[in-house]
Amino acid sequence: SQQGEEDPQALSIQEGENATMNCSYKTSINNLQWYRQNSGRGLVHLILIRSNEREKHSGRLRVTLDTSKKSSSLLITASRAADTASYFCATDVIKAAGNKLTFGGGTRVLVKP
Amino acid sequence: SAVISQKPSRDICQRGTSLTIQCQVDSQVTMMFWYRQQPGQSLTLIATANQGSEATYESGFVIDKFPISRPNLTFSTLTVSNMSPEDSSIYLCSVEVWAGEKLFFGSGTQLSVL
Repeated sequence: SQQGEEDPQALSIQEGENATMNCSYKTSINNLQWYRQNSGRGLVHLILIRSNEREKHSGRLRVTLDTSKKSSSLLITASRAADTASYFCATDVIKAAGNKLTFGGGTRVLVKP
Repeated sequence: SAVISQKPSRDICQRGTSLTIQCQVDSQVTMMFWYRQQPGQSLTLIATANQGSEATYESGFVIDKFPISRPNLTFSTLTVSNMSPEDSSIYLCSVEVWAGEKLFFGSGTQLSVL
């Protein structure tokens, strides 16, 4: 099964509202990352939070990490129509061949103008 | 950072044929990965493309079905062999730059198999 599970699977909000999505994972991590994917295209890295960090900000994005609960949240404040996309959390998995990311199921966000 | 050119961007193929996807990076990178994203699903790692040696495949993926080449530090190909409709997916090339932790992605190849 996937390392990361996200909820909700889909989210519909009005422009200007905040969007919050959550990610839970199963094993210990070095860091957790969030990516955005616009419809049918490649993923774009948004933010990385390390296991010894609890909160991080980047522009309108706020990420929290609770390693005791093995969970993270991504908050997008003052959403815009351009934020419409799928958002994925990803955790690193340390293996002999090097760090590799394991992606969660994603949250599809629709921001209505 | 890295700029990745992936092609083709989309293709419609017949059952039983093969398709080779190319991934070109504008700078030398340490790690190159190939992911599959089935419709409406998350990304699944197919393999790590190793420069100058055989790729490292994840459980459920085999070299005969997904042969991978990586002749140098900026280029890799993924072939989807003997395709069936179940191979219809988006295939994504991604790279990790030197000492980096985040991934950069190509724009993906949307494959439809009839």
